[in-house]
Amino acid sequence: GAGVSQSPSNKVTEKGKDVELRCDPISGHTALYWYRQSLGQGLEFLIYFQGNSAPDKSGLPSDRFSAERTGGSVSTLTIQRTQQEDSAVYLCASNPGGGETQYFGPGTRLLVL
Amino acid sequence: QQQVKQSPQSLIVQKGGISIINCAYENTAFDYFPWYQQFPGKGPALLIAIRPDVSEKKEGRFTISFNKSAKQFSLHIMDSQPGDSATYFCAASMRNSGGSNYKLTFGKGTLLTVNP
Repeated sequence: GAGVSQSPSNKVTEKGKDVELRCDPISGHTALYWYRQSLGQGLEFLIYFQGNSAPDKSGLPSDRFSAERTGGSVSTLTIQRTQQEDSAVYLCASNPGGGETQYFGPGTRLLVL
Repeated sequence: QQQVKQSPQSLIVQKGGISIINCAYENTAFDYFPWYQQFPGKGPALLIAIRPDVSEKKEGRFTISFNKSAKQFSLHIMDSQPGDSATYFCAASMRNSGGSNYKLTFGKGTLLTVNP
């Protein structure tokens, strides 16, 4: 079946612009995660959605970052007033609620000039 | 504060050799330790995982060794193949109040190159 998909695959933007990154989880997966992978770094947890529960936003690095999940499926990560340090690969993952294995998408490579 | 420390940063092994990657953690509440494999341009994929009630888990050529008292765990890849060349991440998590191990803390990764 289809895996986690993310769009766009690459995004180049200018400092100060807003960007939206999209994640389509695997059908039926109730849990959805966003991570940031900076060059040479591990994956940094950003936010977690599980069903209708309040999301765990504890990993969002600043109030410029926000995410929403509509209808329990598609999620959008928004970065406002982008900075050069926001340049990274943003990865989305999903799994059936309560499962341990996270299924990752290919990521969106964001470059802020 | 880096809660999961991974070493080495990079590793070069000859085909047929053994690759060993080590991780150390600080939080004794961690109770789930997965390893993820990532190929260039792809998202990470779960390779193998262990819970601290066992000291070793083997799946094919991949083995996790776990030392609870030392707060260390390692990945061993036997008979390493060029197709194993990838970045490997260790991770750790603890159960939340709902009983779910969802919040993974990752190491910084090891770039493994297996020469033919």
